[in-house]
Amino acid sequence: ELKVEQNPLFLSMQEGKNYTIYCNYSTTSDRLYWYRQDPGKSLESLFVLLSNGAVKQEGRLMASLDTKARLSTLHITAAVHDLSATYFCAGYAGGTSYGKLTFGQGTILTVHP
Amino acid sequence: DSGVTQTPKHLITATGQRVTLRCSPRSGDLSVYWYQQSLDQGLQFLIQYYNGEERAKGNILERFSAQQFPDLHSELNLSSLELGDSALYFCASSAHDPLQSIVEQFFGPGTRLTVL
Repeated sequence: ELKVEQNPLFLSMQEGKNYTIYCNYSTTSDRLYWYRQDPGKSLESLFVLLSNGAVKQEGRLMASLDTKARLSTLHITAAVHDLSATYFCAGYAGGTSYGKLTFGQGTILTVHP
Repeated sequence: DSGVTQTPKHLITATGQRVTLRCSPRSGDLSVYWYQQSLDQGLQFLIQYYNGEERAKGNILERFSAQQFPDLHSELNLSSLELGDSALYFCASSAHDPLQSIVEQFFGPGTRLTVL
């Protein structure tokens, strides 16, 4: 069964700094998703990573996937307050799991002035 | 706005009661997924339907059931409610059968259920 673990679970950053959130998964995952959730709100899709070595960037966020290491990273560059949110990664095992996404615990990011 | 709608937004009820949560997928999406988000369990997959048929089951209790109707909207029925069922329930939809092609799941705004 696919298990997904994120670290850190809590991240307090200063504006302007860089940091990385790590997402490890236990078995083969056909694809890897990153979502953002603001307090009390829904999940907003950020990235879908489909293959080994995939790298996607949107603004100050960049996500990458290393399927051999079973690791995805979400890198934050020059953080700003608007990036404060909870970030989830999710794996997809495929096969008989059909559309099931397995989520990590989430990383609560707080960006301070 | 993802295009997925859920009603109601909030639901407050008592233990032992039964409630129905409703989801309308994005236009054209055939797959509907239900997830539960709680503080102790995190985000958990409950069940998936594709074009009216159940496709996958996750950690869904026997007291819970779901269906997808011919117009593709879906309902999640929760019965004999317990305090621990209090959570945010999300519906998501995607365009294709995951077996056939790469898909992205779009999440609705959620229904916050409070069981007193």
